[in-house]
Amino acid sequence: KNQVEQSPQSLIILEGKNCTLQCNYTVSPFSNLRWYKQDTGRGPVSLTIMTFSENTKSNGRYTATLDADTKQSSLHITASQLSDSASYICVVSGYTGGFKTIFGAGTRLFVKA
Amino acid sequence: DGGITQSPKYLFRKEGQNVTLSCEQNLNHDAMYWYRQDPGQGLRLIYYSQIVNDFQKGDIAEGYSVSREKKESFPLTVTSAQKNPTAFYLCASSGRDGRSGNTIYFGEGSWLTVV
Repeated sequence: KNQVEQSPQSLIILEGKNCTLQCNYTVSPFSNLRWYKQDTGRGPVSLTIMTFSENTKSNGRYTATLDADTKQSSLHITASQLSDSASYICVVSGYTGGFKTIFGAGTRLFVKA
Repeated sequence: DGGITQSPKYLFRKEGQNVTLSCEQNLNHDAMYWYRQDPGQGLRLIYYSQIVNDFQKGDIAEGYSVSREKKESFPLTVTSAQKNPTAFYLCASSGRDGRSGNTIYFGEGSWLTVV
């Protein structure tokens, strides 16, 4: 079983609409959680980093939340733009069998005009 | 500009050949990483290095080799022993190994295709 599960696998929304992407993890003890944006054929770019004590972090129209008790995180995108079309990757670091950084498979977001 | 440079962007290899992917960073980062990305899967760690002249195997090191002779350089060799090398390869770096929550910066990736 993957230690970082993202949902949905893909999502299509209209330009200007909001959306929320989910990330559930089992990595424990937990160290930090990051969200990355990856355009097709490019390297991922960091959006947010949250440690155990943080439950929300914003970066422009992107807002990430973290519930360390339920081991869930979400990434909310406000007023989507065509340029938001990309894969969004949840990355969790923790001490599971030694320190490890585990990448989710990503959510593929398509924003339509 | 500061960042991570990977080359080449696209590479074709014949079966049985070794190829080397270049990764250079000018961020003065101690830690460097190589990941492999396949469609529908999360990034998987091939090798990482926390300091010059030291590197450790990741989750899928078989068929790959690395060196870290300089702080700014971490080349990856895909050997003929790698049975399924066609993939997108990403090099990354960070200030430390990520325990403190340092951002991991990625290069633009290299597409390797075996023909």
